[in-house]
Amino acid sequence: DTGVSQNPRHKITKRGQNVTFRCDPISEHNRLYWYRQTLGQGPEFLTYFQNEAQLEKSRLLSDRFSAERPKGSFSTLEIQRTEQGDSAMYLCASSFGQGEGAFFGQGTRLTVV
Amino acid sequence: QKEVEQNSGPLSVPEGAIASLNCTYSDRGSQSFFWYRQYSGKSPELIMSIYSNGDKEDGRFTAQLNKASQYVSLLIRDSQPSDSATYLCAVRPGSARQLTFGSGTQLTVLP
Repeated sequence: DTGVSQNPRHKITKRGQNVTFRCDPISEHNRLYWYRQTLGQGPEFLTYFQNEAQLEKSRLLSDRFSAERPKGSFSTLEIQRTEQGDSAMYLCASSFGQGEGAFFGQGTRLTVV
Repeated sequence: QKEVEQNSGPLSVPEGAIASLNCTYSDRGSQSFFWYRQYSGKSPELIMSIYSNGDKEDGRFTAQLNKASQYVSLLIRDSQPSDSATYLCAVRPGSARQLTFGSGTQLTVLP
């Protein structure tokens, strides 16, 4: 399968715990995006990488959120001290050119209890 | 004003009819426009892209762009029950690298 891959698909965690999600983009894509989506809403932008450089972060992104993309390949998104409001679908997407559409992975559904 | 606005629906059309989905955007410098389909519980799937004014057709789908009116639409001809999904409009604002999404229009195609 050459699409965007995300792991895990589901994560249930207790409030206050840290969680980490992984995204493997389409291999030739150098642009990688993280989005968050809640029920009834469109995806909300979190952060953007071009190769290994994190070039954009949403102003809405709390300091508890951090993302990395070492060596410009896979990416990880970590949420520290999770809160119930962090419960959402976390989506990773990748694209080749800036003008092109982005292709999404299956998402990681996070539930904070 | 939201950057990308869509009617949330739900929009219901009978099987075989034309479904028309609309989207407006606020940034006049936007250059790239996309439609995504999202089935319940799944991730968004890219179905159409359009970059210049006019119509772009791909099978049963036609995307229409009017930059002067800041308006994008998606027509689905010969609608099928399998087209029932939420359709997301996405725009890349002029100075941005990321896509900005509307909240989606839920479409139901009735057999």
